[in-house]
Amino acid sequence: NAGVTQTPKFQVLKTGQSMTLQCAQDMNHEYMSWYRQDPGMGLRLIHYSVGAGITDQGEVPNGYNVSRSTTEDFPLRLLSAAPSQTSVYFCASSYDRYSYEQYFGPGTRLTVT
Amino acid sequence: QQPVQSPQAVILREGEDAVINCSSSKALYSVHWYRQKHGEAPVFLMILLKGGEQKGHEKISASFNEKKQQSSLYLTASQLSYSGTYFCGTRIHNTNAGKSTFGDGTTLTVKP
Repeated sequence: NAGVTQTPKFQVLKTGQSMTLQCAQDMNHEYMSWYRQDPGMGLRLIHYSVGAGITDQGEVPNGYNVSRSTTEDFPLRLLSAAPSQTSVYFCASSYDRYSYEQYFGPGTRLTVT
Repeated sequence: QQPVQSPQAVILREGEDAVINCSSSKALYSVHWYRQKHGEAPVFLMILLKGGEQKGHEKISASFNEKKQQSSLYLTASQLSYSGTYFCGTRIHNTNAGKSTFGDGTTLTVKP
């Protein structure tokens, strides 16, 4: 199993550009989520999904969109990048919404200039 | 409401013990602990549930004081491999799982 994979690993964007961060898992997990981690800080939940076709907002959803058309994939779209979105983005998955153990991907380091 | 972790940083020698605390102003259903090594993704350590049930798979122990809404992570006889940043995550109830709120982390450095 590859676990949770994320692409790209690094990305530099200019203010106003849009892009999609990819996340995929091969564990047949129902639950997937996106977090951002700013330097020296904890993880902030952006959006999450409890199953294909179902998504909901986390703590810091503004400026981000998600969709979940398949169990495996959960892309995160930045609509119009801003310097405040410079961060490391982690995707995570767990067996279902009640599972406590989340498996994290390797992260995407995003810089917005 | 974000949980508060203390201390922010700890420096130890190999073999010494450490305690990391995680406090919440809200009544908690569960507390979970993760460790993140520099430049890597967080890795799950253990979960503590209201009522005392504890699940984990590392040789690290923890407690959950429901009266104080506080959890403590105990690292005994620390090894170099224990170095990293420890995060606690909290859930207020189990019905809307997924909405875990994380603290800002405690950085543990173990020196030879």
